[in-house]
This record gives sequence, structure tokens and C-alpha cells, in this order.
Amino acid sequence: RKEVEQDPGPFNVPEGATVAFNCTYSNSASQSFFWYRQDCRKEPKLLMSVYSSGNEDGRFTAQLNRASQYISLLIRDSKLSDSATYLCVVNMFGNDYKLSFGAGTTVTVRA
Amino acid sequence: GAVVSQHPSRVICKSGTSVKIECRSLDFQATTMFWYRQFPKQSLMLMATSNEGSKATYEQGVEKDKFLINHASLTLSTLTVTSAHPEDSSFYICSAREFSGTQETQYFGPGTRLLVL
Repeated sequence: RKEVEQDPGPFNVPEGATVAFNCTYSNSASQSFFWYRQDCRKEPKLLMSVYSSGNEDGRFTAQLNRASQYISLLIRDSKLSDSATYLCVVNMFGNDYKLSFGAGTTVTVRA
Repeated sequence: GAVVSQHPSRVICKSGTSVKIECRSLDFQATTMFWYRQFPKQSLMLMATSNEGSKATYEQGVEKDKFLINHASLTLSTLTVTSAHPEDSSFYICSAREFSGTQETQYFGPGTRLLVL
């Protein structure tokens, strides 16, 4: 079983729509969770950290469910510029701070 | 946010040659840097953890003699792909770990596309 699994999509949505997707992780000892965004042929960029109580950053809302070992990302009022691959990233706390990446969920926002 | 640079951004080389990729943290010191590889439509796979002043720690299945890592200063780590072959063609990305108060963040370099002919 992969450490981090994501629905690859693609999610094709019109501008202004809401899109949401999940990610599951296998290691119950995982401590830190993130969503990164990766544009085609570019490096990943941190979108937001995911906190236990859930958190929001503008149009983006992240949730963590430790009992079921999944995190989610919701994008409201989608913009064309939101088109990207969203990577679910998990870290099991430790001195080495190694990150485990999901393969990504592709979102395409159309005009 | 913090800036991490990589050089070169892309390289094409003949099979059997060695290629060196540099990763620099530009505005912070990084005792730990990470090297990843990403094949098309796949997730980033951690290759090794580079620690300043000590030997790198390699992930299972990554040949340390083929992928030489040197982290000689707090702002520079290098990855050398020795005797590169076509199957080594990939997108190589480094990241550097920054501490800010109680928070740790990893910042990624822009990546290096390696094509081995």
C-alpha cells in the first residue's frame, strides 16, 4: 500500500465552481500534513499546511480526519489559474523530516 | 518565502557521462537538504537526505555510488549522477529545510530536467 494515495482525477470544472478531493495516508503516526501545488514541468510549491482543526486560506479549505486518516482540499469559486496538480504531502514526525508525496490530483478549470 | 535555486535547469548528455546538479538556499542556511526524482505522471520520490558536514542518507533502492551527494556548506548541496544512462532521465528536484520559530518548512528548487541520450 502506498504511503499517500490520491485520486489522480482529472477534475474538470467550470470557472466559479467548487471542487473538492481527498487524500489518504497509511501511517497513523504521521504528524504534519500539507497541500502543495505543482504546475506542469515546475517544482512543487506549498499551498497550505493542514491543521487538526481544519484551516482556510482564502478560497482554499483544508481538513484533517485523523480517525479515518485522510485530508481534504476544497477550492471555492475556482479560477482558471487554479488549474494545476495538487500534491498531498505527509510527514511522520522525526528528526529527518522526510516528506511522503501523493502522485497528485489534477484539476482543470475551464472558462 | 525562502528561495532555493538549482543549476542547471536542464541538461542533455551522452550515456556514460557524469552530470552535477547544484542546489542552493539563497536567503537561509539549510543544514538539511533533500533530493527527489520525479518521473512523468508520478509522485516525487525521495532519493536521499543531504546533511551538511556528514554523509548523505540514501533511500532504499538508490545507489549511493551512482548518485553522489556532497553538502559542503550550509547553503549548497550537489548531486552528481555518475555514468548516466537513459533510464536516469528524469526531473531532479532538491529541497531545503528552513526553521522559523517552531515551524519547519521545506522549500523546493525549480528542478533540473536531465535527458540522457
